Amino acid sequence: DAKTTQPPSMDCAEGRAANLPCNHSTISGNEYVYWYRQIHSQGPQYIIHGLKNNETNEMASLIITEDRKSSTLILPHATLRDTAVYYCIVRGDTGRRALTFGSGTRLQVQP
Amino acid sequence: GAVVSQHPSRVICKSGTSVKIECRSLDFQATTMFWYRQFPKQSLMLMATSNEGSKATYEQGVEKDKFLINHASLTLSTLTVTSAHPEDSSFYICSARDIQAAKNIQYFGAGTRLSVL
Repeated sequence: DAKTTQPPSMDCAEGRAANLPCNHSTISGNEYVYWYRQIHSQGPQYIIHGLKNNETNEMASLIITEDRKSSTLILPHATLRDTAVYYCIVRGDTGRRALTFGSGTRLQVQP
Repeated sequence: GAVVSQHPSRVICKSGTSVKIECRSLDFQATTMFWYRQFPKQSLMLMATSNEGSKATYEQGVEKDKFLINHASLTLSTLTVTSAHPEDSSFYICSARDIQAAKNIQYFGAGTRLSVL
């Protein structure tokens, strides 16, 4: 699985959009980008994933650059409950292997 | 999304005792479940992959005789921490994949916080 690089921490004002970047310059053609988040003392929560097209669901939007070497997770209107560690993970979609977690980005939403 | 139930959420035990943690996929079948461990201020570390009807696969450095895994059905996997010691105190999290879903998404339980006195 390709390595990902994320900033260790970010702050965001409540009600504003939170844009979380992720670099995955060694991603291969069949690897997907997954985003999970972990709120304190809970298990990780699936947010969204994509291959090359931008994706949107009820939680967030995922923007993947054309060369697929980086992506951005967008929380359109951050709330205090979005304070969590966000993990960007790259993995092939056909494998049965477990997700490998890096250190993620700790997002602090400020009131 | 799919639901993975983990029980208990918290357990405190004496050193030398064994603790069993259950992980259930409530609305889907999972031939494969995963067990992770997370120490304070660290990321999740995969301990083992649990396969229904066969032996679990353990990651390097994880003692299979200490962390017993049983995956007897398509909806239940258990992790037993045998002869627990204070250094086993950690946050244990299970995960499962929906084998019938088109999306290859791993869903996670809420975790079990184990404190060994």
